[in-house]
Amino acid sequence: DGGITQSPKYLFRKEGQNVTLSCEQNLNHDAMYWYRQDPGQGLRLIYYSQIVNDFQKGDIAEGYSVSREKKESFPLTVTSAQKNPTAFYLCASTKGQGNTEAFFGQGTRLTVV
Amino acid sequence: SQQGEEDPQALSIQEGENATMNCSYKTSINNLQWYRQNSGRGLVHLILIRSNEREKHSGRLRVTLDTSKKSSSLLITASRAADTASYFCATASGAQKLVFGQGTRLTINP
Repeated sequence: DGGITQSPKYLFRKEGQNVTLSCEQNLNHDAMYWYRQDPGQGLRLIYYSQIVNDFQKGDIAEGYSVSREKKESFPLTVTSAQKNPTAFYLCASTKGQGNTEAFFGQGTRLTVV
Repeated sequence: SQQGEEDPQALSIQEGENATMNCSYKTSINNLQWYRQNSGRGLVHLILIRSNEREKHSGRLRVTLDTSKKSSSLLITASRAADTASYFCATASGAQKLVFGQGTRLTINP
């Protein structure tokens, strides 16, 4: 089955630690995205990538980093510089540019302990 | 920056009634999309309407788009308990990225 997979589903981070969230897709999509969602809120764009080895900052990139070494993979690292990382993180992909249907993973819930 | 703004933020209706949600946006768009999110899950694409379309149907869903008013509406007819979810509009423009609104939380009471 084609789809987009995020792991882990739940992640706990200690203060000062970096953590990496995984996002893999087998849809052969060119573009991939990371969004952050806080309780009862909409989605805010962190980073996006339209092609391998290239990515752009979204609206809330500070404290996050990404890489796009392979077409199917777009991991997100939440660094210690992100002061309030507790949130629900969603990865998405689109076939071409952002004006097509987006497919989402099931999300990773990150909690700082 | 949030492009789409949904209204109302929350909506509670009885099963069988129709539910209408609205979305307003600020800049010109290529298309507008509606998504559904069940609690704690990812978003699922419902319907896409292009900027040159005025109305589109899919099953019990009806979407309208008024580019002169920069607004769209999503109508769910004959609602069911399983329609309980959050609904988001998303716009795509020349920036080539999807920008989502805050969402409408819909509750269908049995």
